[in-house]
Amino acid sequence: GAGVSQSPSNKVTEKGKDVELRCDPISGHTALYWYRQSLGQGLEFLIYFQGNSAPDKSGLPSDRFSAERTGGSVSTLTIQRTQQEDSAVYLCASSLSGGGSDTQYFGPGTRLTVL
Amino acid sequence: SQKIEQNSEALNIQEGKTATLTCNYTNYSPAYLQWYRQDPGRGPVFLLLIRENEKEKRKERLKVTFDTTLKQSLFHITASQPADSATYLCALATGGNNRKLIWGLGTSLAVNP
Repeated sequence: GAGVSQSPSNKVTEKGKDVELRCDPISGHTALYWYRQSLGQGLEFLIYFQGNSAPDKSGLPSDRFSAERTGGSVSTLTIQRTQQEDSAVYLCASSLSGGGSDTQYFGPGTRLTVL
Repeated sequence: SQKIEQNSEALNIQEGKTATLTCNYTNYSPAYLQWYRQDPGRGPVFLLLIRENEKEKRKERLKVTFDTTLKQSLFHITASQPADSATYLCALATGGNNRKLIWGLGTSLAVNP
């Protein structure tokens, strides 16, 4: 079946502009995660959605970052007033139920470059 | 503070040898430990999961051990092949209500023909 998809695959923007990154999880997966991966850095947790529960936003680095998940499926990560330090690969993952023993299935990522 | 460490230096081995990668953690009591593979330009791909009450888990040429006393997991690839060249990530979860995985920085493995 289809895996996790993300769009766009690459995004180049100017400092100060807003960007939206999209994630389509695997159908039926109730949990969805956003991560950020910078060059030479590990996966940095950003936000986690689980079913209808309030999202865990503890990883969002500033109030310029927000995310929503509509209808328990597609998710959008929005970065307002982008800064150069926001340049990174943004990865989305989904899992069946979100438990610690669940496998996370990752999308290919969106490479964001802020000029 | 909670910390996960993986071999920071790249590992270079000859084809056919066994690759051993290390994941150490401190100030943490994971219920599960997962290993993922990441190729350049791609998202991580799940390989193996081991639970805190399991000492060893195998899958084809892969073997993972989990020593909760040493706070260490070892990841072995036997009969390594150039196609095994990638970055390998370990991730920990405490289970229960904590549903976030805590990730190591990964170890780059190069298998030379």
